[in-house]
Amino acid sequence: AQSVSQHNHHVILSEAASLELGCNYSYGGTVNLFWYVQYPGQHLQLLLKYFSGDPLVKGIKGFEAEFIKSKFSFNLRKPSVQWSDTAEFFCAVNARTGGFKTIFGAGTRLFVKA
Amino acid sequence: EAGVAQSPRYKIIEKRQSVAFWCNPISGHATLYWYQQILGQGPKLLIQFQNNGVVDDSQLPKDRFSAERLKGVDSTLKIQPAKLEDSAVYLCASSGTRKGTNEKLFFGSGTQLSVL
Repeated sequence: AQSVSQHNHHVILSEAASLELGCNYSYGGTVNLFWYVQYPGQHLQLLLKYFSGDPLVKGIKGFEAEFIKSKFSFNLRKPSVQWSDTAEFFCAVNARTGGFKTIFGAGTRLFVKA
Repeated sequence: EAGVAQSPRYKIIEKRQSVAFWCNPISGHATLYWYQQILGQGPKLLIQFQNNGVVDDSQLPKDRFSAERLKGVDSTLKIQPAKLEDSAVYLCASSGTRKGTNEKLFFGSGTQLSVL
């Protein structure tokens, strides 16, 4: 069965620090990969997605993620975080043989200190 | 464009009572999902509809949960009777005209259920 593992449940950073959130999935076939974000008081929304092609994908607000197939990873990065990046981030995956059922990781809560 | 609408926003019930949640997806979206998000966990898919047909309900506890999407538009999710472990946020999401695949999900604000 598909599963998604996020390495950190809570991350605290100061403004301007660099961010990397780990995500690994367990599935051997072709997958589609997503990062969703939930800002305080808002609903879940798509941050970025990878389907095929360039393994480095860019999303909104300066976020990017790199798909490394050999490591089954899709880590999220941002070179310099801002206070407004405080949110909860979810990695998600779906796959054809899983009926394209989107499976989410447990989430990582990011708190950025001003 | 209008987003995914859900109601109520909050619900508090006692165990063994019944509760229902409503969702209206984005206009034209054929696929509708109900997710359960327990505190500290990621969303877990309960049921997925394509128009008014069920695509996946493998993780729906069918002895107490039911869902319908009769006209292929809005949907209701019901719990009867509720248990303490059903306390969670129930999220509705929708996606475009094609079955699942690589389309992004649009989420509603969710219904926070507390079972006492």
